[in-house]
Amino acid sequence: GESVGLHLPTLSVQEGDNSIINCAYSNSASDYFIWYKQESGKGPQFIIDIRSNMDKRQGQRVTVLLNKTVKHLSLQIAATQPGDSAVYFCAENRRIIQGAQKLVFGQGTRLTINP
Amino acid sequence: DSGVTQTPKHLITATGQRVTLRCSPRSGDLSVYWYQQSLDQGLQFLIQYYNGEERAKGNILERFSAQQFPDLHSELNLSSLELGDSALYFCASSVGGPQETQYFGPGTRLLVL
Repeated sequence: GESVGLHLPTLSVQEGDNSIINCAYSNSASDYFIWYKQESGKGPQFIIDIRSNMDKRQGQRVTVLLNKTVKHLSLQIAATQPGDSAVYFCAENRRIIQGAQKLVFGQGTRLTINP
Repeated sequence: DSGVTQTPKHLITATGQRVTLRCSPRSGDLSVYWYQQSLDQGLQFLIQYYNGEERAKGNILERFSAQQFPDLHSELNLSSLELGDSALYFCASSVGGPQETQYFGPGTRLLVL
């Protein structure tokens, strides 16, 4: 079946340290990937995206790496802060038919930043 | 704030009832997507509309239906509600292209008793 999976359901990191969240996807034809952050009681919030013609993309304190050979994504968060505590989802933008697409989400990783 | 609005924020109803969830997309976005988030199924795609027309269906039950109006807002109708329909329902919007980011609203939490 379709799946975008995460290797670790929970991750605890000391404040100020770097964190890495991993994700595996199954559809080798997918060409666009997004990381979302979801805080309790809120909707998924866009963090960073990457297209399949790239291996790496950097934002403010975040970096996404894409390895198409092994169908793997990772999200790196540098110098973590308490506000980074949330559930992080990777999502694969999968085309259904011409002009239609859907996001296939992983199960999510709960990141906890310890003071 | 993503610019996507959803109402109501919370909804409590009984089995067998019908409810309507409303979504207003970001200004300029033509595509609206509905997703369901439950503890056992995670975030699941339900349906996509583009400029008033249905574009794609996902894991949407026959008891559920949606539409997008000329002003681009969308409604998701859930009928003959069952306990298992209790979940968070999110609307997302995008410009409409194949690699356009979907921005999510705050969601509607539905509780069926």
